[in-house]
Amino acid sequence: ELKVEQNPLFLSMQEGKNYTIYCNYSTTSDRLYWYRQDPGKSLESLFVLLSNGAVKQEGRLMASLDTKARLSTLHITAAVHDLSATYFCAVDMTSGSRLTFGEGTQLTVNP
Amino acid sequence: NAGVTQTPKFQVLKTGQSMTLQCAQDMNHEYMSWYRQDPGMGLRLIHYSVGAGITDQGEVPNGYNVSRSTTEDFPLRLLSAAPSQTSVYFCASRPGPAIHGYTFGSGTRLTVV
Repeated sequence: ELKVEQNPLFLSMQEGKNYTIYCNYSTTSDRLYWYRQDPGKSLESLFVLLSNGAVKQEGRLMASLDTKARLSTLHITAAVHDLSATYFCAVDMTSGSRLTFGEGTQLTVNP
Repeated sequence: NAGVTQTPKFQVLKTGQSMTLQCAQDMNHEYMSWYRQDPGMGLRLIHYSVGAGITDQGEVPNGYNVSRSTTEDFPLRLLSAAPSQTSVYFCASRPGPAIHGYTFGSGTRLTVV
């Protein structure tokens, strides 16, 4: 059974600081996704990582995938308040027909 | 192009009642899935489909039925609602394998009393 673990689960940081969210998974997979969810809203796709060593960047967020270590990271650079949200990683176990999600990391960026 | 449309947005049921959560997508996506989201547990897969006429169980299928008679629609049926089914339900779709992420609907907040 595929397990996906994120840490930390709660992250409070100051504006302007850098931090990294980690996503570990238990079974070989080379497809990993990052989503953002604002309170009471749906999930928004941030990054699709499809191979070992993949790196994607959008604004202050950068995601990477190390399939050998079964680890993905979401790095936040110079955080701003607008980044406050819950971030989920999700892993494809089979042909992409089903995703297994981590518990989510609730990020709060304080002025 | 409406994306993934879920109805209703909110619903209150009494224990033992049945109902259907509707999900429709207009993007001609092959893959569709239903997830439930509970506090502290992320999203858990209920049922999924890789095309019309093909469905399969996910991680938490008990108490739910699905069917996929068309590419566009993927309804989720609660057979006899229980308080443990109080949750937020999300429908999602994608074109096919791998390279695309799933597009999620806006969710249905269900309370069973």
